[in-house]
Amino acid sequence: ELKVEQNPLFLSMQEGKNYTIYCNYSTTSDRLYWYRQDPGKSLESLFVLLSNGAVKQEGRLMASLDTKARLSTLHITAAVHDLSATYFCAVEFNFGNEKLTFGTGTRLTIIP
Amino acid sequence: DVKVTQSSRYLVKRTGEKVFLECVQDMDHENMFWYRQDPGLGLRLIYFSYDVKMKEKGDIPEGYSVSREKKERFSLILESASTNQTSMYLCASSLLSVAEETQYFGPGTRLLVL
Repeated sequence: ELKVEQNPLFLSMQEGKNYTIYCNYSTTSDRLYWYRQDPGKSLESLFVLLSNGAVKQEGRLMASLDTKARLSTLHITAAVHDLSATYFCAVEFNFGNEKLTFGTGTRLTIIP
Repeated sequence: DVKVTQSSRYLVKRTGEKVFLECVQDMDHENMFWYRQDPGLGLRLIYFSYDVKMKEKGDIPEGYSVSREKKERFSLILESASTNQTSMYLCASSLLSVAEETQYFGPGTRLLVL
């Protein structure tokens, strides 16, 4: 079964702190995506990770991919309030068939 | 910028009604997708299409059908709406099999079936 699991599901953290969201998936894949969703809004693409060891950074967010461990992480550095959102990872299990399997999302709340 | 638009932000329908949700993209993307989003379940793929008149079932196609008569437009049809189809529906599009290419999402349609 193709499964994508995120943890934690809910995360409340103080401004200025660091934290990591984890995304585990069930079978081999070389393509993993991170999206952000603000309340009442649609999904916005953050990162596309295409190979083992891939690391991408944008501002206070950094995403990495370990295909051997079937694990991706989204690391938040020195959190600020406007990073409050729900973050989804998604995996394309069969390259070329265009289908993504999404995790359940991590709702992140940054407290001043 | 890629733009994906959906015909309605909010819809209220009655059980048994036929419901049409429309999605239009303006970037000549081959792929188009329909998802539903429910709390605690993430996004689940209903149907997708990689070309005009082509469609493939996703993970939860039961109770839904789709139509793609033009490249830019992908419609989701609920033949006979039921209360368990109350959900947020998201449309997305992407280029075909391009590395680094992501899916671009529309604003969503929140459907309430009474």
